[in-house]
Amino acid sequence: DAGVIQSPRHEVTEMGQEVTLRCKLISGHNSLFWYRQTMMRGLELLIYFNNNVPIDDSGMPEDRFSAKMPNASFSTLKIQPSEPRDSAVYFCASSFGYSPLHFGNGTRLTVT
Amino acid sequence: AQTVTQSQPEMSVQEAETVTLSCTYDTSESDYYLFWYKQPPSRQMILVIRQEAYKQQNATENRFSVNFQKAAKSFSLKISDSQLGDAAMYFCAYRSGGSGAGSYQLTFGKGTKLSVIP
Repeated sequence: DAGVIQSPRHEVTEMGQEVTLRCKLISGHNSLFWYRQTMMRGLELLIYFNNNVPIDDSGMPEDRFSAKMPNASFSTLKIQPSEPRDSAVYFCASSFGYSPLHFGNGTRLTVT
Repeated sequence: AQTVTQSQPEMSVQEAETVTLSCTYDTSESDYYLFWYKQPPSRQMILVIRQEAYKQQNATENRFSVNFQKAAKSFSLKISDSQLGDAAMYFCAYRSGGSGAGSYQLTFGKGTKLSVIP
């Protein structure tokens, strides 16, 4: 099992640009979580899906953020337009039912 | 909403010694799960140990064990025979045991940075 795969590992972009982060779930997992990690706020849940359906998106900061699951094994998190305060490490995690969450290695986003 | 508090931003331990990291949580639920995750400098999030609230017996995983005090809402992590590879951020996390997909997410504490002194 390859684990949760995130890409890119690092992303540097200029303010105003669109950023797309990608995540491939572990085969057989049906829940997908996007977390954001910053020094100030720690790990925050942005949104999560179960069986491709968004269950809770209350953590999404604002309309500039959107997440999709076009199929059962893949998700994207898009920021448009990006701002410097979006700089953080973004983690994707997957699970099946109440099994523990398995995390990807994260994407470090820097917006200048 | 549930909250998780880790009151020790940083801790240090001598190699081969034992260290305990603290975690408290606030919940009105009786059924839930608790976790400790480790994040080394590589930033990968690694599950260390989990505890089901309905189990009275404390979970153990090799050198890692927990002291789960349900009434006190306390969930501390003990690392025995500390090794240099244990140096990392440690996060305590809570998950509801309620039914349905609305209960699957984790709520994390702010973390404790553990340093291991050779």
